Amino acid sequence: DTAVSQTPKYLVTQMGNDKSIKCEQNLGHDTMYWYKQDSKKFLKIMFSYNNKELIINETVPNRFSPKSPDKAHLNLHINSLELGDSAVYFCASSHSTTGGVDTQYFGPGTRLTVL
Amino acid sequence: DAKTTQPTSMDCAEGRAANLPCNHSTISGNEYVYWYRQIHSQGPQYIIHGLKNNETNEMASLIITEDRKSSTLILPHATLRDTAVYYCIVRERSSNTGKLIFGQGTTLQVKP
Repeated sequence: DTAVSQTPKYLVTQMGNDKSIKCEQNLGHDTMYWYKQDSKKFLKIMFSYNNKELIINETVPNRFSPKSPDKAHLNLHINSLELGDSAVYFCASSHSTTGGVDTQYFGPGTRLTVL
Repeated sequence: DAKTTQPTSMDCAEGRAANLPCNHSTISGNEYVYWYRQIHSQGPQYIIHGLKNNETNEMASLIITEDRKSSTLILPHATLRDTAVYYCIVRERSSNTGKLIFGQGTTLQVKP
């Protein structure tokens, strides 16, 4: 049983295209996140949603638009893809953002390659 | 920016204990120390966390110095499957954002 799943696992596309990455968690968590890991392997948070509401937007370009149709899903839509968007994108979820003992569970990642 | 400093890489012999240090000299009283690891081509995985007492679970032990300025993650009997990048992260106890700030981590290579 996959706790946090992402689709697709690999995504190769041309510059200028629009693409979406989907994330689903079956843990009953309230909070979901998107992280980006670039070619230098640095892992940085992009967005966080709590109960379908945006709580973190880490100065990500407007071309990136997260959408949370319900608590279990947080999708990432990217418009006008650029070469610099090539990276591995990880979705994560946690029970809540508060309390200090909040373990985040990560998905397997989506490797996006923009040509 | 990450609030922690870790060695870039370490080696460990299979079956021996792996001791991974982390420096967090600016940690404040309401911040926890978390450890995650990332095995190649996988998502990060939670290992353990602590505030000021030493902690142990089925994966590892966490030793935090009395002044809380540094900690050590101990994998008691490292296996080849423990080869990964290990991240030490400090985070507010009552963070209202939940975000984790990852540094460069320590690449642990377990050798046969």
